[in-house]
Amino acid sequence: NAGVMQNPRHLVRRRGQEARLRCSPMKGHSHVYWYRQLPEEGLKFMVYLQKENIIDESGMPKERFSAEFPKEGPSILRIQQVVRGDSAAYFCASSPVRGSLSNEKLFFGSGTQLSVL
Amino acid sequence: AQSVSQHNHHVILSEAASLELGCNYSYGGTVNLFWYVQYPGQHLQLLLKYFSGDPLVKGIKGFEAEFIKSKFSFNLRKPSVQWSDTAEYFCADNTGTASKLTFGTGTRLQVTL
Repeated sequence: NAGVMQNPRHLVRRRGQEARLRCSPMKGHSHVYWYRQLPEEGLKFMVYLQKENIIDESGMPKERFSAEFPKEGPSILRIQQVVRGDSAAYFCASSPVRGSLSNEKLFFGSGTQLSVL
Repeated sequence: AQSVSQHNHHVILSEAASLELGCNYSYGGTVNLFWYVQYPGQHLQLLLKYFSGDPLVKGIKGFEAEFIKSKFSFNLRKPSVQWSDTAEYFCADNTGTASKLTFGTGTRLQVTL
């Protein structure tokens, strides 16, 4: 079992470019969560997706950020027109079930470190 | 608003010393509490969790945590740390929200030989 795979591990972008972060959940997991860790802060929830559906995007910034989890392929977190403040570690987690119990079976990836120059 | 506080940002201990990392949560209802560890360059791993029952929770690698409702605390402990425990430790809760965790800012533990 390969675990939750995130790529790239490190991503460098210039201001104004687009960043695409990928997350492949564990085999059999259909629930994906994205978290962001800004410097000197804890992880902050961004969005919760199931296959082809956004369930909870209450933590997503209103502009420039979007997420998808298509029927086939990885989940993608997309940041358009990046700014320096987007520099952070972005973590993906997956689980096989929904609801409060899902946190018992929540597995995290190693994260993508985004650096905006 | 729901929040989780970790007051120790950076802790340095010698091997064999005892460890206690503080965690306080703000929500007063039903609580689900977690401790995660992140070793350098690796993903977050679940150390232990509390949902209900015995407030003293045993986790992996010799860690334990005690839920004290009156103090809104869920401190992490280990009687004797090892160099391999060097990592960042995050407290989190999932109180009232099925789909997301609220994390503390983390505590960086450095264990010296």
